[in-house]
Amino acid sequence: DTAVSQTPKYLVTQMGNDKSIKCEQNLGHDTMYWYKQDSKKFLKIMFSYNNKELIINETVPNRFSPKSPDKAHLNLHINSLELGDSAVYFCASSRQQGRPQHFGDGTRLSIL
Amino acid sequence: GDSVTQMEGPVTLSEEAFLTINCTYTATGYPSLFWYVQYPGEGLQLLLKATKADDKGSNKGFEATYRKETTSFHLEKGSVQVSDSAVYFCALNGRIGNQFYFGTGTSLTVIP
Repeated sequence: DTAVSQTPKYLVTQMGNDKSIKCEQNLGHDTMYWYKQDSKKFLKIMFSYNNKELIINETVPNRFSPKSPDKAHLNLHINSLELGDSAVYFCASSRQQGRPQHFGDGTRLSIL
Repeated sequence: GDSVTQMEGPVTLSEEAFLTINCTYTATGYPSLFWYVQYPGEGLQLLLKATKADDKGSNKGFEATYRKETTSFHLEKGSVQVSDSAVYFCALNGRIGNQFYFGTGTSLTVIP
């Protein structure tokens, strides 16, 4: 059983489009995260939600909007995609804020 | 603020060689320390952790000891295998704000 699942696994799209990435966790965790990993493997936190409430919102363009319909889901919507958005996006969850995180397998976003 | 610094890669070793990946941290108080591993095409997985000074975390032949006096948490393995090829991330849980901080990752390639 997959603990943290993201869809889609690959996303290839054109500049200017709007796209969404979905994330679901079946671990019963209270906290969920979105990370961006660049081509050099550098991992940068984007957002964190605790029980559906936003608790971390790093310096990220407002084209990126997270949405948490319930504490098991944290989706990421991206408007007006740009070339620099090409990266691997990871969803993660933890029992509570600051506890070890469980990661999904990533969504590889490529902008043409 | 809290942070971790880990040795830059990439690191290339022959099978059965000894591995050390250095990690040092800066933190207020007494953080918990972690090593995560990312295999190709996958998300990060927790490899081992230590929650207080002098604790030794271990898993799959890897070890790391929480050294408060040198603010270090170096990852070691006595005999690496080709299957250990991955990117390794050092991380800490800052007590203030309960945030997770990841290092920049160290890529390891083990050749037969």
